[in-house]
Amino acid sequence: NAGVTQTPKFQVLKTGQSMTLQCAQDMNHEYMSWYRQDPGMGLRLIHYSVGAGITDQGEVPNGYNVSRSTTEDFPLRLLSAAPSQTSVYFCASRPGQGGVWDTEAFFGQGTRLTVV
Amino acid sequence: AQSVTQLGSHVSVSEGALVLLRCNYSSSVPPYLFWYVQYPNQGLQLLLKYTTGATLVKGINGFEAEFKKSETSFHLTKPSAHMSDAAEYFCAVSGPVYTGGFKTIFGAGTRLFVKA
Repeated sequence: NAGVTQTPKFQVLKTGQSMTLQCAQDMNHEYMSWYRQDPGMGLRLIHYSVGAGITDQGEVPNGYNVSRSTTEDFPLRLLSAAPSQTSVYFCASRPGQGGVWDTEAFFGQGTRLTVV
Repeated sequence: AQSVTQLGSHVSVSEGALVLLRCNYSSSVPPYLFWYVQYPNQGLQLLLKYTTGATLVKGINGFEAEFKKSETSFHLTKPSAHMSDAAEYFCAVSGPVYTGGFKTIFGAGTRLFVKA
């Protein structure tokens, strides 16, 4: 059971480039989310999805797009990379639909992104 | 709205000493509280969680936490630190959002150092 898989693990982008961070889970979880981790700031929610076709913004959504066409996949798109987007990105999934918030999240290994 | 405050970005203890990592939360609804651990270059994994019932919660690796509603706290403890406990620890609170989904808010994290 692979759990939550993120690709790539490392990426260097030039300012203005676009890219997609991939996230896939094989646990049939309804809820998926993207966080960024920066020193001293913990994890901040970028976008989340409560099921296929449904997404919503988190705390820091600017500069990022998401879509959820299947239960398994939740890609994160950087439209025009900026140095402020240098961070470690984590994808997480959890079971349950809306209203079930007592379940824990399962995290991927992270993508370390540097924008130069 | 939910928020989490972790007191102390760095905590250093000697091997065999008590570990105490502090977490205070605010929540407009009964909170669901979590502690996660992150080892270097890895994603987060669940240590323990409080949803309902007994306020003293036991987790993996000998850790436990006590939910104190009157103090809005959920401090993490371990009686005797081990070198392998060196990691970053995150407190988190989950709750509903107006869209009918839910989200998890993380604290800034506490890095635990264990001295031989």
